[in-house]
Amino acid sequence: GAGVSQTPSNKVTEKGKYVELRCDPISGHTALYWYRQSLGQGPEFLIYFQGTGAADDSGLPNDRFFAVRPEGSVSTLKIQRTERGDSAVYLCASSQLRDTRAFFGQGTRLTVV
Amino acid sequence: GQQLNQSPQSMFIQEGEDVSMNCTSSSIFNTWLWYKQDPGEGPVLLIALYKAGELTSNGRLTAQFGITRKDSFLNISASIPSDVGIYFCAGQLRMNYGGSQGNLIFGKGTKLSVKP
Repeated sequence: GAGVSQTPSNKVTEKGKYVELRCDPISGHTALYWYRQSLGQGPEFLIYFQGTGAADDSGLPNDRFFAVRPEGSVSTLKIQRTERGDSAVYLCASSQLRDTRAFFGQGTRLTVV
Repeated sequence: GQQLNQSPQSMFIQEGEDVSMNCTSSSIFNTWLWYKQDPGEGPVLLIALYKAGELTSNGRLTAQFGITRKDSFLNISASIPSDVGIYFCAGQLRMNYGGSQGNLIFGKGTKLSVKP
């Protein structure tokens, strides 16, 4: 597509529930990144994929967070047993191979109540 | 984790004024990027810098990659109301072997607002 697309744009869930956030990268972009942004802060790295494999998942805060990219295009970020502290905007970005310029989607605002 | 110190945290602009902001770190970076974020939107890439000392412009925006590789600067000339928003610096950390860490590290942002 023309840009990075993230769905849903907003998600409200109850504490303890499971959520999935989806990212459609720019067509042809092999690298895909997930970031989390809290109010008043810059984006914080979670995980990035080169193709289908997670090249670096060192930013995932704990084992409740998991991400997949089975066909090297669309990615899903999965959060189990959500906690109120997980509330944030989750941003996805993509870039071409060996290109540092990452292009972001509009984000998914997750609210855990 | 690695930190990028971005300053100022906030500033007020009057139309026509020039604006400067910067980003510093104790670590060496291979790439610097500057993004702008409007409320409810994702960051939008403004300028990318790849070499120490590089000076790059994008319209009224000019950014520089510091010669120490530990800082970067963004200048906005003749500001207009639509320049209001939050500006983020971001960088790719230089690894011990000389290559780049894959992800970007972001500063906390500089919020530009209109002078009351």
